[in-house]
Amino acid sequence: GAGVSQSPSNKVTEKGKDVELRCDPISGHTALYWYRQSLGQGLEFLIYFQGNSAPDKSGLPSDRFSAERTGGSVSTLTIQRTQQEDSAVYLCASSLVSLLAGGYNEQFFGPGTRLTVL
Amino acid sequence: AQSVTQLDSHVSVSEGTPVLLRCNYSSSYSPSLFWYVQHPNKGLQLLLKYTSAATLVKGINGFEAEFKKSETSFHLTKPSAHMSDAAEYFCVVSANQAGTALIFGKGTTLSVSS
Repeated sequence: GAGVSQSPSNKVTEKGKDVELRCDPISGHTALYWYRQSLGQGLEFLIYFQGNSAPDKSGLPSDRFSAERTGGSVSTLTIQRTQQEDSAVYLCASSLVSLLAGGYNEQFFGPGTRLTVL
Repeated sequence: AQSVTQLDSHVSVSEGTPVLLRCNYSSSYSPSLFWYVQHPNKGLQLLLKYTSAATLVKGINGFEAEFKKSETSFHLTKPSAHMSDAAEYFCVVSANQAGTALIFGKGTTLSVSS
Protein backbone atom coordinates (compact mmCIF):
# COMPACT_ATOMS: atom_id res chain seq x y z
CA GLY A 1 0.00 0.00 0.00
CA ALA A 2 0.94 3.65 -0.16
CA GLY A 3 3.42 4.94 2.36
CA VAL A 4 3.69 8.35 3.96
CA SER A 5 3.82 11.06 1.33
CA GLN A 6 5.04 14.61 1.67
CA SER A 7 4.80 17.65 -0.57
CA PRO A 8 6.53 19.49 -1.96
CA SER A 9 9.71 17.45 -2.16
CA ASN A 10 11.75 20.63 -2.43
CA LYS A 11 10.90 24.19 -1.46
CA VAL A 12 13.05 27.27 -1.95
CA THR A 13 11.83 30.47 -0.35
CA GLU A 14 13.07 33.89 0.57
CA LYS A 15 13.77 34.93 4.11
CA GLY A 16 10.67 36.35 5.75
CA LYS A 17 8.15 34.43 3.66
CA ASP A 18 5.72 31.87 5.10
CA VAL A 19 5.80 28.24 3.93
CA GLU A 20 3.43 25.30 4.29
CA LEU A 21 4.58 21.71 4.18
CA ARG A 22 2.12 18.89 3.74
CA CYS A 23 2.06 15.32 5.03
CA ASP A 24 -0.29 12.50 4.04
CA PRO A 25 0.04 9.66 6.57
CA ILE A 26 -0.61 6.00 5.94
CA SER A 27 -4.33 5.35 5.90
CA GLY A 28 -5.53 4.16 9.29
CA HIS A 29 -2.55 5.46 11.22
CA THR A 30 -3.78 7.54 14.13
CA ALA A 31 -0.44 9.03 15.14
CA LEU A 32 1.47 11.59 13.10
CA TYR A 33 4.87 13.12 13.83
CA TRP A 34 6.99 15.92 12.41
CA TYR A 35 10.78 15.96 12.65
CA ARG A 36 13.47 18.25 11.33
CA GLN A 37 16.78 16.97 9.96
CA SER A 38 19.44 19.65 9.84
CA LEU A 39 22.95 19.19 8.51
CA GLY A 40 25.21 18.30 11.40
CA GLN A 41 22.33 18.36 13.88
CA GLY A 42 20.67 15.02 13.29
CA LEU A 43 16.92 14.64 13.60
CA GLU A 44 14.91 16.57 16.12
CA PHE A 45 11.34 15.93 17.16
CA LEU A 46 8.94 18.81 16.48
CA ILE A 47 5.33 17.82 17.15
CA TYR A 48 3.11 14.77 17.63
CA PHE A 49 -0.60 14.28 16.93
CA GLN A 50 -2.62 11.36 18.26
CA GLY A 51 -6.26 11.08 17.35
CA ASN A 52 -8.33 13.88 18.83
CA SER A 53 -5.96 14.53 21.72
CA ALA A 54 -4.17 17.84 22.10
CA PRO A 55 -0.90 17.66 20.15
CA ASP A 56 2.46 17.41 21.88
CA LYS A 57 4.16 20.60 20.70
CA SER A 58 7.15 20.33 22.99
CA GLY A 59 9.65 20.15 20.13
CA LEU A 60 8.62 23.24 18.19
CA PRO A 61 11.64 25.58 18.19
CA SER A 62 9.74 28.88 18.17
CA ASP A 63 6.26 30.37 17.85
CA ARG A 64 6.90 30.83 14.14
CA PHE A 65 6.29 27.09 13.80
CA SER A 66 2.80 25.62 13.95
CA ALA A 67 1.07 22.51 12.71
CA GLU A 68 -2.43 21.27 12.32
CA ARG A 69 -4.01 18.00 11.43
CA THR A 70 -7.42 18.22 9.82
CA GLY A 71 -9.88 15.36 10.06
CA GLY A 72 -7.34 13.16 11.78
CA SER A 73 -5.48 12.59 8.53
CA VAL A 74 -3.51 15.14 6.52
CA SER A 75 -1.20 17.48 8.42
CA THR A 76 0.30 20.84 7.50
CA LEU A 77 3.42 22.29 9.10
CA THR A 78 3.57 26.06 8.74
CA ILE A 79 6.66 28.16 9.24
CA GLN A 80 6.04 31.90 9.37
CA ARG A 81 8.62 34.56 8.58
CA THR A 82 11.19 31.96 7.58
CA GLN A 83 14.82 32.40 8.61
CA GLN A 84 17.94 30.91 7.05
CA GLU A 85 18.40 28.63 10.06
CA ASP A 86 15.05 27.01 9.19
CA SER A 87 16.72 25.41 6.15
CA ALA A 88 16.53 21.66 6.70
CA VAL A 89 14.74 18.51 5.62
CA TYR A 90 11.35 18.23 7.32
CA LEU A 91 10.25 14.65 7.86
CA CYS A 92 6.80 13.36 8.64
CA ALA A 93 6.07 9.94 10.11
CA SER A 94 2.93 8.06 11.03
CA SER A 95 2.14 5.03 13.14
CA LEU A 96 -0.60 3.08 14.75
CA VAL A 97 -0.59 3.50 18.50
CA SER A 98 -0.39 0.39 20.59
CA LEU A 99 -3.15 -0.10 23.10
CA LEU A 100 -0.99 -2.54 25.02
CA ALA A 101 1.07 -1.40 27.98
CA GLY A 102 4.69 -1.29 26.90
CA GLY A 103 3.73 -1.82 23.29
CA TYR A 104 5.31 0.06 20.45
CA ASN A 105 4.25 0.65 16.89
CA GLU A 106 6.79 1.44 14.22
CA GLN A 107 6.93 4.95 12.86
CA PHE A 108 6.93 4.99 9.06
CA PHE A 109 8.72 7.96 7.57
CA GLY A 110 7.98 9.94 4.46
CA PRO A 111 10.69 11.05 2.02
CA GLY A 112 10.81 14.54 3.49
CA THR A 113 10.59 18.09 2.22
CA ARG A 114 13.89 19.87 1.68
CA LEU A 115 13.42 23.53 2.64
CA THR A 116 15.97 26.11 1.58
CA VAL A 117 15.63 29.65 2.87
CA LEU A 118 17.68 32.17 0.88
CA ALA B 1 16.26 12.69 30.38
CA GLN B 2 16.73 10.37 27.44
CA SER B 3 19.66 10.72 25.08
CA VAL B 4 21.79 8.71 22.68
CA THR B 5 25.37 9.17 21.60
CA GLN B 6 26.73 7.64 18.44
CA LEU B 7 30.43 7.32 19.01
CA ASP B 8 31.55 7.45 15.37
CA SER B 9 30.38 9.93 12.77
CA HIS B 10 31.90 7.88 9.97
CA VAL B 11 32.84 4.20 9.66
CA SER B 12 34.59 2.69 6.64
CA VAL B 13 34.79 -1.05 6.02
CA SER B 14 35.65 -3.34 3.16
CA GLU B 15 33.02 -5.55 1.59
CA GLY B 16 32.84 -8.88 3.40
CA THR B 17 34.29 -7.59 6.68
CA PRO B 18 32.33 -7.07 9.92
CA VAL B 19 30.45 -3.89 10.71
CA LEU B 20 30.28 -2.30 14.16
CA LEU B 21 28.38 0.94 14.73
CA ARG B 22 28.52 2.08 18.33
CA CYS B 23 25.76 3.68 20.37
CA ASN B 24 25.51 4.57 24.04
CA TYR B 25 22.29 5.70 25.65
CA SER B 26 21.09 7.46 28.75
CA SER B 27 17.66 6.79 30.16
CA SER B 28 15.84 7.40 33.41
CA TYR B 29 13.69 4.30 32.85
CA SER B 30 13.88 1.06 30.94
CA PRO B 31 14.35 2.36 27.41
CA SER B 32 13.03 1.43 24.01
CA LEU B 33 15.91 1.58 21.55
CA PHE B 34 16.00 1.44 17.77
CA TRP B 35 18.29 1.60 14.82
CA TYR B 36 17.10 3.31 11.67
CA VAL B 37 18.84 3.40 8.29
CA GLN B 38 18.65 6.14 5.68
CA HIS B 39 19.89 5.38 2.19
CA PRO B 40 20.69 8.31 -0.09
CA ASN B 41 17.54 10.04 -1.32
CA LYS B 42 15.33 7.55 0.50
CA GLY B 43 13.25 7.71 3.64
CA LEU B 44 14.21 6.43 7.05
CA GLN B 45 13.62 2.73 7.57
CA LEU B 46 13.48 0.82 10.84
CA LEU B 47 16.27 -1.78 11.05
CA LEU B 48 15.48 -3.23 14.44
CA LYS B 49 14.05 -2.40 17.84
CA TYR B 50 14.56 -3.35 21.46
CA THR B 51 11.54 -3.04 23.75
CA SER B 52 12.55 -4.99 26.88
CA ALA B 53 12.24 -8.46 25.43
CA ALA B 54 15.35 -10.40 24.29
CA THR B 55 18.56 -8.42 24.70
CA LEU B 56 19.93 -9.62 21.35
CA VAL B 57 17.74 -8.20 18.65
CA LYS B 58 17.82 -9.31 15.03
CA GLY B 59 16.79 -6.94 12.29
CA ILE B 60 16.55 -6.79 8.56
CA ASN B 61 19.42 -7.34 6.13
CA GLY B 62 21.47 -9.40 8.57
CA PHE B 63 21.93 -6.65 11.17
CA GLU B 64 21.62 -7.26 14.88
CA ALA B 65 22.13 -5.28 18.06
CA GLU B 66 22.69 -6.23 21.67
CA PHE B 67 21.23 -4.29 24.57
CA LYS B 68 23.76 -4.13 27.41
CA LYS B 69 22.33 -2.39 30.44
CA SER B 70 25.57 -2.54 32.42
CA GLU B 71 27.38 -0.69 29.63
CA THR B 72 24.37 1.43 28.57
CA SER B 73 25.14 0.40 25.01
CA PHE B 74 23.18 -0.74 21.98
CA HIS B 75 25.79 -1.36 19.30
CA LEU B 76 24.76 -2.42 15.79
CA THR B 77 26.66 -5.24 14.12
CA LYS B 78 26.72 -7.26 10.94
CA PRO B 79 29.09 -10.15 10.28
CA SER B 80 29.80 -9.31 6.64
CA ALA B 81 29.29 -5.94 4.99
CA HIS B 82 27.73 -5.61 1.57
CA MET B 83 28.05 -2.66 -0.79
CA SER B 84 24.33 -2.00 -0.41
CA ASP B 85 24.82 -1.38 3.33
CA ALA B 86 26.40 1.99 2.59
CA ALA B 87 24.03 4.49 4.21
CA GLU B 88 23.54 6.64 7.27
CA TYR B 89 22.53 4.86 10.46
CA PHE B 90 20.75 6.41 13.41
CA CYS B 91 20.56 5.09 16.94
CA VAL B 92 17.29 6.17 18.52
CA VAL B 93 15.79 6.14 21.99
CA SER B 94 12.17 6.69 22.84
CA ALA B 95 11.72 9.99 24.64
CA ASN B 96 8.86 8.63 26.69
CA GLN B 97 7.55 5.29 27.77
CA ALA B 98 4.69 5.47 25.28
CA GLY B 99 7.15 5.64 22.39
CA THR B 100 5.43 8.66 20.92
CA ALA B 101 8.54 10.78 20.52
CA LEU B 102 11.93 9.62 19.35
CA ILE B 103 15.33 11.09 20.09
CA PHE B 104 17.81 10.48 17.31
CA GLY B 105 21.56 10.29 17.53
CA LYS B 106 23.55 12.42 15.12
CA GLY B 107 24.08 9.49 12.79
CA THR B 108 26.95 7.34 11.56
CA THR B 109 27.78 7.25 7.89
CA LEU B 110 28.84 3.77 6.81
CA SER B 111 31.03 3.50 3.72
CA VAL B 112 31.71 0.12 2.14
CA SER B 113 34.56 -0.33 -0.31
CA SER B 114 35.09 -3.19 -2.71
